[in-house]
Amino acid sequence: DAGVTQSPTHLIKTRGQQVTLRCSPKSGHDTVSWYQQALGQGPQFIFQYYEEEERQRGNFPDRFSGHQFPNYSSELNVNALLLGDSALYLCASSLREQYFGPGTRLTVT
Amino acid sequence: RKEVEQDPGPFNVPEGATVAFNCTYSNSASQSFFWYRQDCRKEPKLLMSVYSSGNEDGRFTAQLNRASQYISLLIRDSKLSDSATYLCVVIANNAGNMLTFGGGTRLMVKP
Repeated sequence: DAGVTQSPTHLIKTRGQQVTLRCSPKSGHDTVSWYQQALGQGPQFIFQYYEEEERQRGNFPDRFSGHQFPNYSSELNVNALLLGDSALYLCASSLREQYFGPGTRLTVT
Repeated sequence: RKEVEQDPGPFNVPEGATVAFNCTYSNSASQSFFWYRQDCRKEPKLLMSVYSSGNEDGRFTAQLNRASQYISLLIRDSKLSDSATYLCVVIANNAGNMLTFGGGTRLMVKP
């Protein structure tokens, strides 16, 4: 049984560009959450998707948007990238307990 | 003030030592509590849930003090493989299942 998968594993972008990160949840999980983890910090909640709708949102600007597809996979989009967006982006899927994927490490130069 | 606060460490301990971490949370409506472990450049993994009555899993013991709003994790007989960052996590009563993480406490177990 595959766990949570994310792609790509690493990504380098320049300021002002846009990026799309992808997540496939663990089999049977219908809820996907996204977190941002800056170096040396704990993960911070970005938003959560359930039944293809954003159910909850953390304290992140509108530059961060997402989508959930009918197969429960999800995308995180970030527009107008800033240097401060450099971080590990974690996806977690859940029915009850949240299981994390390996993350996508984004570097903005 | 951060919602969940931890001493970042690092805690440097010899193998076989007992080490304890504390975590404080500010939201009195917090209802669920967890410890996650995160290895360097890896994803967080659930170590254990924390119950009001306290709970133990092998060498690990977690306790919750609701009155003082803190959570603790005790690791007995430390192993080299326990070296990691330990993240304290809470879920508020009105937050669905949004996890709020502390900044983590780094543990380094030395031979």
